[in-house]
Amino acid sequence: KAGVTQTPRYLIKTRGQQVTLSCSPISGHRSVSWYQQTPGQGLQFLFEYFSETQRNKGNFPGRFSGRQFSNSRSEMNVSTLELGDSALYLCASSSLAGVPSYEQYFGPGTRLTVT
Amino acid sequence: AQKVTQAQTEISVVEKEDVTLDCVYETRDTTYYLFWYKQPPSGELVFLIRRNSFDEQNEISGRYSWNFQKSTSSFNFTITASQVVDSAVYFCALTEERGGSEKLVFGKGTKLTVNP
Repeated sequence: KAGVTQTPRYLIKTRGQQVTLSCSPISGHRSVSWYQQTPGQGLQFLFEYFSETQRNKGNFPGRFSGRQFSNSRSEMNVSTLELGDSALYLCASSSLAGVPSYEQYFGPGTRLTVT
Repeated sequence: AQKVTQAQTEISVVEKEDVTLDCVYETRDTTYYLFWYKQPPSGELVFLIRRNSFDEQNEISGRYSWNFQKSTSSFNFTITASQVVDSAVYFCALTEERGGSEKLVFGKGTKLTVNP
């Protein structure tokens, strides 16, 4: 069974640009969550989607947005990039049966560097 | 509010030593789940264990064991006879059963280095 996949794996952007990251969950999983990992703040929750609906959102500015498609794939977008957005962005999937399984599996992450 | 504290920032041991990683949590809910994840240098978080708040039984899986004590709000992780491959950052995390969300709150992590 294929795991969670994230593309691209590495990305370098310039301040002010925008970026879109993609996540494909484990087959059958309907919930996708996104996390930002930085050396200073650690792992922080960004948002969670279930059946194309945002179910929860972390404390991030409106420049961070996301969506989920009918096939459960998810994208997150960051507009007007700042240097502080440099981080590892991790995607996790869960909920095989449509109810919370409380067992999330993570992808390899996308390493975003903003210069 | 939920909070997870991993007081040990870094631990260094010699191969075959036993090592315990501490995790203390805070939550107002009576129903919650606790997790341990391993993050090797490659960056991917690897799921190790999930425990719900109603199951205080300790668990052993090979060289790994977990001790869950609600009385002290702790969920500690022990690696017996450590190996170099155990070198990684280990995260403890908490989620509350609220509205179906599976949002994880993570501790800052403990970097474990196992030297040969």
